[in-house]
Amino acid sequence: DIQMTQSPSSLSASVGDRVSITCRASQDIRNHLTWFQQKPGTAPESLIYDASRLQTGVPSRFSAAGFGTDFILTISSLQPEDFAIYYCQQYESYPYTFGPGTKVDI
Amino acid sequence: EVVLMESGGGLVQPGGSLRLSCATSGFTFSDHYMDWVRQAPGKGLEWIGRSTNKRNNYATQYAASARIRFTISRDESRNFLYLEMNSLTVEDTGLYYCVRGYHGFDHWGQGTLVTVSS
Repeated sequence: DIQMTQSPSSLSASVGDRVSITCRASQDIRNHLTWFQQKPGTAPESLIYDASRLQTGVPSRFSAAGFGTDFILTISSLQPEDFAIYYCQQYESYPYTFGPGTKVDI
Repeated sequence: EVVLMESGGGLVQPGGSLRLSCATSGFTFSDHYMDWVRQAPGKGLEWIGRSTNKRNNYATQYAASARIRFTISRDESRNFLYLEMNSLTVEDTGLYYCVRGYHGFDHWGQGTLVTVSS
């Protein structure tokens, strides 16, 4: 199985900060990576697919990049509604696997 | 508008069975891959399995934890996705999400809670 790791596991930030989260795959997943945001008590929401493509309706302050094994999600200017847990997930091969999550809080 | 609505969760004893349903609307169900993902209380996300689309004969794939005990199926006439779960253990407790597998996993239901306890 492909193992996904994320760093940091948590971070504290302020509104307006630029924030980056990294995700690493244990083997080459090309660009088959997606990023999710999950707020307490709600279902995950997809932000990014194919490593760098924004889902429809996702604000442009979110961006992502990467290929192969190393990926990054960046929030250019953190907004109050962005405080959440962020997960990466690979869909290169079965079983699909998620990273452990990165909690972004104040 | 794409809508996914899970149902069928509840309290079940260890060793018991449960069938979860996912009612879908707002898209051509037969064209899309569909997945089940679960989340144990306070934990991260775990992919359970997938039903491919009609063009791929609705072939299924499963995580190792689900391969023998769980079965994913569809009712194409009603646009429903199902997850049949047998031999449940306390480790199967969690929120179960139905997910559309397009552009990654682009749409999620709100989840249905399964509690396995004696």
